[in-house]
Amino acid sequence: AQSVSQHNHHVILSEAASLELGCNYSYGGTVNLFWYVQYPGQHLQLLLKYFSGDPLVKGIKGFEAEFIKSKFSFNLRKPSVQWSDTAEYFCAVTLYNQGGKLIFGQGTELSVKP
Amino acid sequence: DAGVIQSPRHEVTEMGQEVTLRCKPISGHNSLFWYRQTMMRGLELLIYFNNNVPIDDSGMPEDRFSAKMPNASFSTLKIQPSEPRDSAVYFCASSPKPPQPQHFGDGTRLSIL
Repeated sequence: AQSVSQHNHHVILSEAASLELGCNYSYGGTVNLFWYVQYPGQHLQLLLKYFSGDPLVKGIKGFEAEFIKSKFSFNLRKPSVQWSDTAEYFCAVTLYNQGGKLIFGQGTELSVKP
Repeated sequence: DAGVIQSPRHEVTEMGQEVTLRCKPISGHNSLFWYRQTMMRGLELLIYFNNNVPIDDSGMPEDRFSAKMPNASFSTLKIQPSEPRDSAVYFCASSPKPPQPQHFGDGTRLSIL
């Protein structure tokens, strides 16, 4: 079965530290890739998406992600985190021709210390 | 532009009661999704609709769960009878059409006592 794996369950960083959250998926066909963020007590919001083209995609709030097809990975990065980035981050995949059905990773909780 | 609207925001009820969760997707969006979020299992897709038609309900836990979409602007998720293990946050999401990104509602926090 297709799956999405996020490497870290909980990451703790100090402000201004760099962030990289790992995401791998298991599906050999065409995929669309997403990162969503969920701030405490709120709904999921789209950070960025990859459909095709440049494998380095930029999203909101200074986040970016790189799609490496050979590694089945879509890691999220931010050069310098802020306290306000404290949230849970979800990687998700939709499979080509599967009606937009999102398969989510288990999420990574990011805590940024001021 | 209003986002995805879910009601109620919170529901606390006793085991065995019927629970109905409601969702209004963004106008013009043709796809609607219901998810359940728990600490143990994370985010799980329960069912999704395209143009009001259920496409994949393989994530619906059991027959106690049912979902309908009678028109393009309204969907319900019903649990009857409810059990304590159904306690979770239930999110509804909509998208213009696959694979465009999904927009999520604020969720319904359901507690079954």
